[in-house]
Order: sequence, then C-alpha cells, then structure tokens
Amino acid sequence: DTGVSQNPRHKITKRGQNVTFRCDPISEHNRLYWYRQTLGQGPEFLTYFQNEAQLEKSRLLSDRFSAERPKGSFSTLEIQRTEQGDSAMYLCASSLAIRGETQYFGPGTRLLVL
Amino acid sequence: SQQGEEDPQALSIQEGENATMNCSYKTSINNLQWYRQNSGRGLVHLILIRSNEREKHSGRLRVTLDTSKKSSSLLITASRAADTASYFCATVYNAGNMLTFGGGTRLMVKP
Repeated sequence: DTGVSQNPRHKITKRGQNVTFRCDPISEHNRLYWYRQTLGQGPEFLTYFQNEAQLEKSRLLSDRFSAERPKGSFSTLEIQRTEQGDSAMYLCASSLAIRGETQYFGPGTRLLVL
Repeated sequence: SQQGEEDPQALSIQEGENATMNCSYKTSINNLQWYRQNSGRGLVHLILIRSNEREKHSGRLRVTLDTSKKSSSLLITASRAADTASYFCATVYNAGNMLTFGGGTRLMVKP
C-alpha cells in the first residue's frame, strides 16, 4: 500500500493522559499536514511540515499539542494532558510542494477522551 | 473558523438523478478543491480548479468556479448509491497550500 497511513486508527484515553499519533506519508512527498475534524464538521488545519521544518501552526494548536517530523519522513502528533474537547478525528495528509498540488489523506486516528 | 459554507447541508436524491452542491468562500483563493468522505473515514480528492479556471470536468463530476461571487458548485451526474458520502469544498489561499474546508454537504443517494 503506497498511500498515507496513520496509527493507531482508534484511541481511547482518560482525561489527563498523553497520547501520540503517527503518520507515514507517501514516500516522495515532502509536505505533511495535520488536520482535526469533529463530528459533523469539516476538517480544520492544525500544522504542516515541509521536509523536517514545521512551517505553519494554527491557533487551534495549543501548547499541549506538539508535532514533529524529525527526518522529513513520518510525523508524530502528541497531545499532552488530554481534555474531553480533544476528542476528534485527527487526519494527516501529504503532498508534493508544487503549486496547486493535491493533498492525499490518510484514514485518520479517531480519539475519544473519557 | 472555516472559510467556506456548503449548501445544502444535506441532500437526498434517487439513483440516476443529478446532485448539485454549492460552496461559498470569503477570501481570494489560489485554487478550490472538492473532497469526498465516506462515513468516519479519510478524505478522497475529487477535483481541483484553479482561480483562473471557470469550469472543469472529471468523469461524472463537473465543477464551476465564479471568483467574482466567491462561489463554486459541484455537479454529480447520474448519481449512484455508491456516491452516498459527505462532500467538502476546500480553498487554498496561501503559499503553504493549507486547505480551509467548508462544513460539507451530506449526500444520500437512494437506490
């Protein structure tokens, strides 16, 4: 499978715990994006990387959230001290950095914070 | 906050009918894209239209863009039950190509 993969697909955690999600992009793609989607809404941009550099962060990304892409390949998104409001689908997408490129989305990680 | 709004929020049609979904946005854009999402799953890219294009076709899909009205429409012709999904428009207005999504149209095609 050469598409974008995300792990885990589902995560249930208790409030206050830390969680980490992983995204493996399409191998030749140098851009990687994270989005969050709550039930019944469209996805909202969180952050993106070009190679290993994190170039943009949304105001939605509080200081409890941190994302890394250490070698410019896979990326991790960590949420510390989870809150019930963090419950959502976390989507990863990758693309080539050319004008008007298509982003290819992974299946998402569904987080439920109890 | 989301830039775009889709209209209608929900649409129910019979198989074989055409489905039209509209999207409005607020700022100038580089391009506009339409995505489909089956229940609880990832998004699938359908079509991209650039700001200097007015119409684009892909199979049973037809997308129009009116930058003066800041609006776009997606037409699915001869719909099938398998087209049942949520459809989102997303705009790109900066060099980072981050997508700004609308709230989506939930389409149900009845067999």
